[in-house]
Amino acid sequence: DAGVIQSPRHEVTEMGQEVTLRCKPISGHNSLFWYRQTMMRGLELLIYFNNNVPIDDSGMPEDRFSAKMPNASFSTLKIQPSEPRDSAVYFCASNLIRHTEAFFGQGTRLTVV
Amino acid sequence: DAKTTQPTSMDCAEGRAANLPCNHSTISGNEYVYWYRQIHSQGPQYIIHGLKNNETNEMASLIITEDRKSSTLILPHATLRDTAVYYCIVRVHSGGSNYKLTFGKGTLLTVNP
Repeated sequence: DAGVIQSPRHEVTEMGQEVTLRCKPISGHNSLFWYRQTMMRGLELLIYFNNNVPIDDSGMPEDRFSAKMPNASFSTLKIQPSEPRDSAVYFCASNLIRHTEAFFGQGTRLTVV
Repeated sequence: DAKTTQPTSMDCAEGRAANLPCNHSTISGNEYVYWYRQIHSQGPQYIIHGLKNNETNEMASLIITEDRKSSTLILPHATLRDTAVYYCIVRVHSGGSNYKLTFGKGTLLTVNP
């Protein structure tokens, strides 16, 4: 298996633009997590899904952020409109519910100028 | 949620054992201790987990005190590639079989030649 695949790896956008980050979890996994990492705040859990259903979105910073999981093999994290303070590395992770090991993707480095 | 406390940084000589401590004095009886690490510019990687017994795998050993208020991750023969931030995490539950991993600041382990 290729592991968790995130795209794009790098994204540079202007303030006010819409940004969409994509994630393909490991085949067969039924739990998916979105994290954001910055120097100031470290790794923050934004939202996670079980069986394509959002379970906990308490970490989503504000209404500008939204996440979807239309099927078991794809998820998106959208920021609209983007702001410079959204600049961070965004990680997606997946695993089997109740299993111990979560697998992380390589991340998307987002820069909003 | 049980919180963890780790030293900000540690050094270790290559080939020696690296012992990374973690305090989790408010851990509940059914909460597990997990260890992940993050090598620079990569996504976090699962290392090991345990409930109350000591655990060992091909990467590391986990020693949990009898009162479960603290634990130590042991890398028996550290190499330069083990230089990373190591996160000690207590697994929390958010209803039913759902859970989430909440990362703290971690310990930056630097393995020196």
